[in-house]
Amino acid sequence: AQSVTQPDIHITVSEGASLELRCNYSYGATPYLFWYVQSPGQGLQLLLKYFSGDTLVQGIKGFEAEFKRSQSSFNLRKPSVHWSDAAEYFCAVGVRAGGTSYGKLTFGQGTILTVHP
Amino acid sequence: DTEVTQTPKHLVMGMTNKKSLKCEQHMGHRAMYWYKQKAKKPPELMFVYSYEKLSINESVPSRFSPECPNSSLLNLHLHALQPEDSALYLCASSQGLQGYTGELFFGEGSRLTVL
Repeated sequence: AQSVTQPDIHITVSEGASLELRCNYSYGATPYLFWYVQSPGQGLQLLLKYFSGDTLVQGIKGFEAEFKRSQSSFNLRKPSVHWSDAAEYFCAVGVRAGGTSYGKLTFGQGTILTVHP
Repeated sequence: DTEVTQTPKHLVMGMTNKKSLKCEQHMGHRAMYWYKQKAKKPPELMFVYSYEKLSINESVPSRFSPECPNSSLLNLHLHALQPEDSALYLCASSQGLQGYTGELFFGEGSRLTVL
């Protein structure tokens, strides 16, 4: 079964600083990988996704992530954080299903981002 | 604005009540999902419908009863819930095509409190 580890429960950065959120996955083949963001009491919004091809993917709100197969990682980065980026971030892995089935998303535990002015 | 709409946004119910959560999407997606999210935890999958048929039930107690009346609608019927069922219930949809796992589009959730 697939699994996702987000080692950092809580990260605090200053506004304007760079950001990297870590994500490691466990899956026997090439997975689908996603980063979602959730503001308090809200649903999840997709930031970016990796299916295949270029291992550096660009997302919304200035985020990017790099898929590194050798490290089983999919870390999220942003060069300059804005106060509005404060939220909880979830990494997720989806299974490449076949036949009549489809994949399920398995989420990491989440990383809460606090941004100081 | 989310393209997956959930109602109600907040629901308070007693343990003997019967209520329903509703979800609607108009993106032509053929897979719809119910997730449960407790505070400070990631979403956990409950049910998946594919082409209006229940395809996955993650061993959810029978006091939760899903229904997919058509390709755009997904309901979650609630009966005899327990206080520990209080959570944010998220609906999601995806293209759900055979052999493809697309990204999930989530609604804003229904915050359920069971007294």
